Amino acid sequence: SQQGEEDPQALSIQEGENATMNCSYKTSINNLQWYRQNSGRGLVHLILIRSNEREKHSGRLRVTLDTSKKSSSLLITASRAADTASYFCATEGDFGNEKLTFGTGTRLTIIP
Amino acid sequence: DAMVIQNPRYQVTQFGKPVTLSCSQTLNHNVMYWYQQKSSQAPKLLFHYYDKDFNNEADTPDNFQSRRPNTSFCFLDIRSPGLGDAAMYLCATSGHGGETQYFGPGTRLLVL
Repeated sequence: SQQGEEDPQALSIQEGENATMNCSYKTSINNLQWYRQNSGRGLVHLILIRSNEREKHSGRLRVTLDTSKKSSSLLITASRAADTASYFCATEGDFGNEKLTFGTGTRLTIIP
Repeated sequence: DAMVIQNPRYQVTQFGKPVTLSCSQTLNHNVMYWYQQKSSQAPKLLFHYYDKDFNNEADTPDNFQSRRPNTSFCFLDIRSPGLGDAAMYLCATSGHGGETQYFGPGTRLLVL
């Protein structure tokens, strides 16, 4: 299976702290994306990082990509209660077949 | 606002009774996807369309069919739902394959 693994599976932190989630994948990629999913809802795209990029920022989000280790991390700084959600990484393989392969997800809970 | 719409949001059907889920988009995207997501799991791609070209995942059961009559609409038909088909069904669109996907809110299917 090409499915990625995310670590940890669940994370609980106090509001205001930083949250870090990790994603590992198995095949060469064109890009890696992070999505958020609130309970019972659809996924929302957060950020996309291409295979030739090493770091990207968007607001309180920081994503890193290490293609040599086939891994990525998502850092959410100064967490808020509204950040409580599941976070999924997804990769587009470099064979260009229009599909994303999603990781297993990290369930993040922010404690007010 | 441009968006991806799924109807209904909740669908209850009986074991073996055919059901159709619908998705529409106002983004004018070429690519449309159907995913199945079971509780606490990653979204699993069932099929996708690049324009009218239909692409079936190898492990998608024959019980699942799809139609895309035009750019804006896509349907998921489950011919004989079983208890194992109870899940959230997510529709997504993308302007170009492998790039950011925009998800609808999902349809939660319950099979009695």
